[in-house]
Amino acid sequence: GQQLNQSPQSMFIQEGEDVSMNCTSSSIFNTWLWYKQEPGEGPVLLIALYKAGELTSNGRLTAQFGITRKDSFLNISASIPSDVGIYFCAGQSQWNTGNQFYFGTGTSLTVIP
Amino acid sequence: DAGVTQSPTHLIKTRGQQVTLRCSPKSGHDTVSWYQQALGQGPQFIFQYYEEEERQRGNFPDRFSGHQFPNYSSELNVNALLLGDSALYLCASSRRTGVHEQYFGPGTRLTVT
Repeated sequence: GQQLNQSPQSMFIQEGEDVSMNCTSSSIFNTWLWYKQEPGEGPVLLIALYKAGELTSNGRLTAQFGITRKDSFLNISASIPSDVGIYFCAGQSQWNTGNQFYFGTGTSLTVIP
Repeated sequence: DAGVTQSPTHLIKTRGQQVTLRCSPKSGHDTVSWYQQALGQGPQFIFQYYEEEERQRGNFPDRFSGHQFPNYSSELNVNALLLGDSALYLCASSRRTGVHEQYFGPGTRLTVT
């Protein structure tokens, strides 16, 4: 299946710093979702994007749907210790007649108090 | 509003055995997707059910099968278990039409010995 490339693979930051991560695909997507997963739990949906260029916020989190429709970005402002976890992007192809999502490889975030 | 629920939480099986995992979708959702997540990796799509039929399938062998019931709940069955089947199995629910946001359950941790 399709593989989404997520970067960076891991991040170690100081509390209060801003975080940026991105996800790229070789295919055009019509939906991007961003999830956060903590150990032993299922992914929790953070932000959903449906239009190229769309910028959507959820508290300190902001995500953008790239204008090429092959990438997406997630920013976290003023990080706090509870932001720790693995962040996954997921994309749905425009050619997909169902709603199968392809997942990225994840970005592991560690926040140092 | 109940979210996605899965049972059991943990399961230990022996090679060659069979296992059944269960999922109840979020209220108002009619589509269930199953994912396998190996340690340190992103979720991999197994298959998707709506209207009680398998609609899409990822790159998984026929040992993996499923079922959806009239109340939209679903089961994942895995036959002839292999050591490599050890993983977190995630169920995600969504609406077939309209917004395609997927919400995940907490997962079932399967260990094959």
